[in-house]
Amino acid sequence: GQNIDQPTEMTATEGAIVQINCTYQTSGFNGLFWYQQHAGEAPTFLSYNVLDGLEEKGRFSSFLSRSKGYSYLLLKELQMKDSASYLCAVRGRKGGSYIPTFGRGTSLIVHP
Amino acid sequence: DVKVTQSSRYLVKRTGEKVFLECVQDMDHENMFWYRQDPGLGLRLIYFSYDVKMKEKGDIPEGYSVSREKKERFSLILESASTNQTSMYLCASSQSGTGVGETQYFGPGTRLLVL
Repeated sequence: GQNIDQPTEMTATEGAIVQINCTYQTSGFNGLFWYQQHAGEAPTFLSYNVLDGLEEKGRFSSFLSRSKGYSYLLLKELQMKDSASYLCAVRGRKGGSYIPTFGRGTSLIVHP
Repeated sequence: DVKVTQSSRYLVKRTGEKVFLECVQDMDHENMFWYRQDPGLGLRLIYFSYDVKMKEKGDIPEGYSVSREKKERFSLILESASTNQTSMYLCASSQSGTGVGETQYFGPGTRLLVL
């Protein structure tokens, strides 16, 4: 089976940096995704990692260590609009298919 | 832009009713998924399909069935709705293959209330 763990809630100040961690256990690891979900809206894609290391995309970066079963999403220069839930999803083997399993999400609150 | 649409944003049904939730995607994606999202529990996979007429059970298939007669359409059926099926239902689609191409695109969700 798969187990994905991320903090339930985090708070941060506008302009600051925040790191959201995700640890996982899975069979047949085949990629890790981060999604952003604003309240009442659908999740939208933020980043993808399949090899170890850091992927940077503007204010957002995502890191992966496969040997440690660990990833983080780094958000820089926080803005109020970054207040949202951040979902970690790990693709692993289920039967004959590779499918993503989601963590419970981290609710990020950015305050002035 | 990928577009995933769901038939209803809000739905109210009575216990025992048969409920159909429809999802349509316009990007010729092979894979389609149905999730439910509940506070504190996150997104949980109900069923997925990787081709027309193909379906696989997810983590919580009990009380649900699905149908995929056409590539672009994936339906979720609640045979006899119960109050514990009150939830937000999200449909998603993705390409087949590996890597970032498997990014999922989500519909806006259907908030179902079963009375």
